[in-house]
Amino acid sequence: GAVVSQHPSWVICKSGTSVKIECRSLDFQATTMFWYRQFPKQSLMLMATSNEGSKATYEQGVEKDKFLINHASLTLSTLTVTSAHPEDSSFYICSALNSAGGNEQFFGPGTRLTVL
Amino acid sequence: GQQLNQSPQSMFIQEGEDVSMNCTSSSIFNTWLWYKQDPGEGPVLLIALYKAGELTSNGRLTAQFGITRKDSFLNISASIPSDVGIYFCAGQVQGAQKLVFGQGTRLTINP
Repeated sequence: GAVVSQHPSWVICKSGTSVKIECRSLDFQATTMFWYRQFPKQSLMLMATSNEGSKATYEQGVEKDKFLINHASLTLSTLTVTSAHPEDSSFYICSALNSAGGNEQFFGPGTRLTVL
Repeated sequence: GQQLNQSPQSMFIQEGEDVSMNCTSSSIFNTWLWYKQDPGEGPVLLIALYKAGELTSNGRLTAQFGITRKDSFLNISASIPSDVGIYFCAGQVQGAQKLVFGQGTRLTINP
């Protein structure tokens, strides 16, 4: 149980295009999901907290207009990187909290974004 | 903001050796977590600690929640090749769902 998937697992795009990454909780409902970014050989940095049915909460320094988050259902949150540039190339990881209770974040397998 | 200082940054050991890594913070955390991340994958929870002074084991792994709530350590005994990876500590303050991660410890094992 408590499986979180991400799609796609990797994506390569041209500079200036937008990329959408999906995060799904497969066997539980998640009112709250989190989006992290991880640069090579670095730690996970929280970008934003995604709340079902309401606006996401962004961490300081993260541009909300560049990283659009939509949490339209209890099992799906999407992160759209708009007008991507090479410096946005990174490993994006989501996690989800079980709405039924508990404070454990279940992590997805990550999405590798490469912007040419 | 809150930061976790994790050390060492990397370790190169022989198979069978014991491993120890730790995290410290200037802030108090109410929950300490230890994760392992394999290349190209998301982190996987190893051990969760909820009480100051708590000592918890998971197989060959043992972790402790410091009395001051500002530190934690993870020990791995009798290391095996599949222990290779990056280990992260993470802290959670009371009432918050967000996690703060340490910088990670990269473990390499020579057979």
